[in-house]
Amino acid sequence: NAGVTQTPKFQVLKTGQSMTLQCAQDMNHNSMYWYRQDPGMGLRLIYYSASEGTTDKGEVPNGYNVSRLNKREFSLRLESAAPSQTSVYFCASSLTLRHEQFFGPGTRLTVL
Amino acid sequence: AQKITQTQPGMFVQEKEAVTLDCTYDTSDPSYGLFWYKQPSSGEMIFLIYQGSYDQQNATEGRYSLNFQKARKSANLVISASQLGDSAMYFCAINGGTSYGKLTFGQGTILTVHP
Repeated sequence: NAGVTQTPKFQVLKTGQSMTLQCAQDMNHNSMYWYRQDPGMGLRLIYYSASEGTTDKGEVPNGYNVSRLNKREFSLRLESAAPSQTSVYFCASSLTLRHEQFFGPGTRLTVL
Repeated sequence: AQKITQTQPGMFVQEKEAVTLDCTYDTSDPSYGLFWYKQPSSGEMIFLIYQGSYDQQNATEGRYSLNFQKARKSANLVISASQLGDSAMYFCAINGGTSYGKLTFGQGTILTVHP
């Protein structure tokens, strides 16, 4: 089992460019999440998906969109990247919203 | 809104000794879950232990135990017999009530284990 996988591992964008971060899990989990982690801080929730077909905003959703493509995959899109979106992005999944979340390895994104 | 406070920015412990990492929380939900995660310098987030608000006993997972004091709203992580590989950032987190799914993290505590 690979657990939670994320692509890419690293990305550098210019201001205004767009990109999609991909996430997949093979644990048959129902719920999936996207977080960002800024230096010296804990994680902050961007969006989450309680189950296939549903998505909801988290603490910091502005500037992002998500798609729950199927039960396994949950993507995060930056339509017009800004330097304030420079961060490490983590995807996570859990059996349900009440259960512990398991995290992917993260994507380090720099916006110039 | 839920909140986690970790008041120890950094902690030091000697190898093989026990260490307690503090976590206090604030929530108005009667049903909630408390989680501890470890983040080594390599960056991944590793789930350690979970405590439910209605659990009668303190959670334990190997060398990790959770000292849960509900009335004081504290959920301290105890690591017994520290190892060099325990050196990492440790995060306490909470979800629950109307916020299930919205895991709220504290600022973290950096633990350094000395040989």
